[in-house]
Amino acid sequence: KAGVTQTPRYLIKTRGQQVTLSCSPISGHRSVSWYQQTPGQGLQFLFEYFSETQRNKGNFPGRFSGRQFSNSRSEMNVSTLELGDSALYLCASSLVGTGFDYEQYFGPGTRLTVT
Amino acid sequence: GESVGLHLPTLSVQEGDNSIINCAYSNSASDYFIWYKQESGKGPQFIIDIRSNMDKRQGQRVTVLLNKTVKHLSLQIAATQPGDSAVYFCAENTGGFKTIFGAGTRLFVKA
Repeated sequence: KAGVTQTPRYLIKTRGQQVTLSCSPISGHRSVSWYQQTPGQGLQFLFEYFSETQRNKGNFPGRFSGRQFSNSRSEMNVSTLELGDSALYLCASSLVGTGFDYEQYFGPGTRLTVT
Repeated sequence: GESVGLHLPTLSVQEGDNSIINCAYSNSASDYFIWYKQESGKGPQFIIDIRSNMDKRQGQRVTVLLNKTVKHLSLQIAATQPGDSAVYFCAENTGGFKTIFGAGTRLFVKA
């Protein structure tokens, strides 16, 4: 069974631009979560989607948004990029959500650099 | 490893010894806890989880202990191997489909 895939793997953008990152969950998984990882802040939760609905979100500005499609694939978008948005963006999928015995499987991440 | 924290606490152990990685969690309402391992260039990988109504759970070479009184979680790795070298994160979940990660501990295994 293929793992979680994220595209692109690396991305360089300029301040003020916007970016869209894509995540394909493991086949059959309906929950997708997004995280931002930086050396200073560690791993921070962005949002979680299930059946095209956002069920929870973290403390990020409205410039960060996401969506999920009917095939469970998910995208996240960051508008008006700032230097501080440079990070590794990780996507994780699970069968029905984050709970006991419902493991989250992470993708390799998208490394975003904002210049 | 990339973007896993330049100033993480580090635990250095000899190959074959047991490792104990500790974590303090923040929310007394958290009902589910997970340990992840992250190797350089990869996303976190699930190791073991535990529910708040348990105080111990064992896996293959790993044991998680939960002390709710002091909000403390630990991961014990038996017979540590060079392949165990990585950054280890504890995470907590309050049942709201939101997982909060700890800062991480870097484990270095000396051959």
